[in-house]
Amino acid sequence: SQQGEEDPQALSIQEGENATMNCSYKTSINNLQWYRQNSGRGLVHLILIRSNEREKHSGRLRVTLDTSKKSSSLLITASRAADTASYFCATVGRDNFNKFYFGSGTKLNVKP
Amino acid sequence: DAGITQSPRHKVTETGTPVTLRCHQTENHRYMYWYRQDPGHGLRLIHYSYGVKDTDKGEVSDGYSVSRSKTEDFLLTLESATSSQTSVYFCAISESPEGSPLHFGNGTRLTVT
Repeated sequence: SQQGEEDPQALSIQEGENATMNCSYKTSINNLQWYRQNSGRGLVHLILIRSNEREKHSGRLRVTLDTSKKSSSLLITASRAADTASYFCATVGRDNFNKFYFGSGTKLNVKP
Repeated sequence: DAGITQSPRHKVTETGTPVTLRCHQTENHRYMYWYRQDPGHGLRLIHYSYGVKDTDKGEVSDGYSVSRSKTEDFLLTLESATSSQTSVYFCAISESPEGSPLHFGNGTRLTVT
């Protein structure tokens, strides 16, 4: 399986601090994506990074990708209580790009 | 939000009964997916479709079948529900996995008693 695995499983920080989540995967990828899930809802796409990219930014989000280590990180800067959610990485394989494989997620709690 | 509707939103059924979950999209996207979400397992792919009448298995397809007779609808059927299929089921769509993200429905919470 090329399922990604997030680390840590849970993260608790104070509002205003930065939050970093990591994702590792097993096989070569076409792209990697990060999603957010609020309790009881469907996942919402945050950012997509292709295998030939090393870093992408979107607002307070910064994603890095290291294909040599098969890992990615998501940084949320200046976190807010509203960022409290679960965050998932998903990979699309290089050889079979029809499927999205998800990790088990990081549960982020931002305390006001 | 992308136009994805899952029905029903909640269902309680008994072991051994057939169950069909429906996913309807208004985005005309080619790819449609069914995932299940369980604590500690994240989202696991059950089946997906890459076109009308074109489907393939995912990681956890045993006990499930799917059908896609038209672009907008993707049905997931549990032929004979078991307690291990108690889960939250999500439908998702994508224009192209190579460069486009998944858009998710709000899920169906299925309880098999």
